[in-house]
Amino acid sequence: GEDVEQSLFLSVREGDSSVINCTYTDSSSTYLYWYKQEPGAGLQLLTYIFSNMDMKQDQRLTVLLNKKDKHLSLRIADTQTGDSAIYFCAESRANSGGYQKVTFGTGTKLQVIP
Amino acid sequence: DTGVSQDPRHKITKRGQNVTFRCDPISEHNRLYWYRQTLGQGPEFLTYFQNEAQLEKSRLLSDRFSAERPKGSFSTLEIQRTEQGDSAMYLCASSFHWGTGDEKLFFGSGTQLSVL
Repeated sequence: GEDVEQSLFLSVREGDSSVINCTYTDSSSTYLYWYKQEPGAGLQLLTYIFSNMDMKQDQRLTVLLNKKDKHLSLRIADTQTGDSAIYFCAESRANSGGYQKVTFGTGTKLQVIP
Repeated sequence: DTGVSQDPRHKITKRGQNVTFRCDPISEHNRLYWYRQTLGQGPEFLTYFQNEAQLEKSRLLSDRFSAERPKGSFSTLEIQRTEQGDSAMYLCASSFHWGTGDEKLFFGSGTQLSVL
């Protein structure tokens, strides 16, 4: 996780937008992902973006990628209490053998206040 | 297909004992990953397989850890001579991936290891 960093905690009011940020260090990342982990559960893929894109929208989710700054963000519109979870940024890049490998950030805990 | 299965869900062991975890991936998936997650941290990469070939083992992983995927289907992760620092959630994930395309990981619920 040391190559992918996130802020630890975010608190928002229900109905507001949430923006979760992530920075990564390797410019050769090919895909960047957002996963969600609810208490006691495994990680679930939310959305992802190809490194040649700068934006992707999927219903309430918008992913923004600034490749120059190696900055990725996830915006959740009209945040609901069910969105309370830990959100992980992940990147896919080649290892020394040339095989793609997925590594994760430290996670951001999103708390939605009713 | 019921997704990625991990067994056991919980394991309590005494320091110095050996433990083995099993992961059954989604049947058509060629890739299988093992990660370790401690409280407040993201999943830490341990190792991964493409079919039966182990592609990489984390440099942070001691020789007490070994993983196999003998027939390219299920995988086992063994920890020998467990230490209290090994206490963590061990996550397995699988995917179908070729070349340089996107890789969607499907995770199991994990095995929670407690070393006393």
